[in-house]
Amino acid sequence: NAGVTQTPKFQVLKTGQSMTLQCAQDMNHEYMSWYRQDPGMGLRLIHYSVGAGITDQGEVPNGYNVSRSTTEDFPLRLLSAAPSQTSVYFCASSRQGHNEQYFGPGTRLTVT
Amino acid sequence: AQSVAQPEDQVNVAEGNPLTVKCTYSVSGNPYLFWYVQYPNRGLQFLLKYITGDNLVKGSYGFEAEFNKSQTSFHLKKPSALVSDSALYFCAVRDWETDSWGKLQFGAGTQVVVTP
Repeated sequence: NAGVTQTPKFQVLKTGQSMTLQCAQDMNHEYMSWYRQDPGMGLRLIHYSVGAGITDQGEVPNGYNVSRSTTEDFPLRLLSAAPSQTSVYFCASSRQGHNEQYFGPGTRLTVT
Repeated sequence: AQSVAQPEDQVNVAEGNPLTVKCTYSVSGNPYLFWYVQYPNRGLQFLLKYITGDNLVKGSYGFEAEFNKSQTSFHLKKPSALVSDSALYFCAVRDWETDSWGKLQFGAGTQVVVTP
């Protein structure tokens, strides 16, 4: 199993540009989520999905869109990048219930 | 609403000494509690979890944590720290009575530095 994979590893955007961060898992997990990690703030939930076709907002959803057309993939779209979105982004997946989440290696995004 | 506090930004310990990383939580119902570790430029790795049952939970790499309901704490411990334990540690909580979708609330993280 590859686990949770994320692409790209690094990305630099200019303000106003859009892009999609890719996330895929091969564990047939129902639950997938996106977090951003900023110094001193831990991980904050952006969006999550409990299955294909079902998504919902987390703690900091503004400026981001998600969709879940398959169990495996959960892309995160930045519609119009802003410097405040400079962060490290992590995708995670888990089976439903009280199960631990498996994290991808992260994408380091810089918006100038 | 659920919340997690990790009161120490950094914990310094000498190799071979006991290591404790503190975590307190707040939930309206009953908690599911987790500890994760993050090594530099890596994603988070699961260490251990408390769901129900025995208050002392054993996890990966010799770590354990004790759930204390009266003090709403879930401190992470290791009897003898290694230099390789130097990393960023996160406590996380989920309120299983009010949240059925598994959303985790993470603490801000505690940097552990183990010196030789």
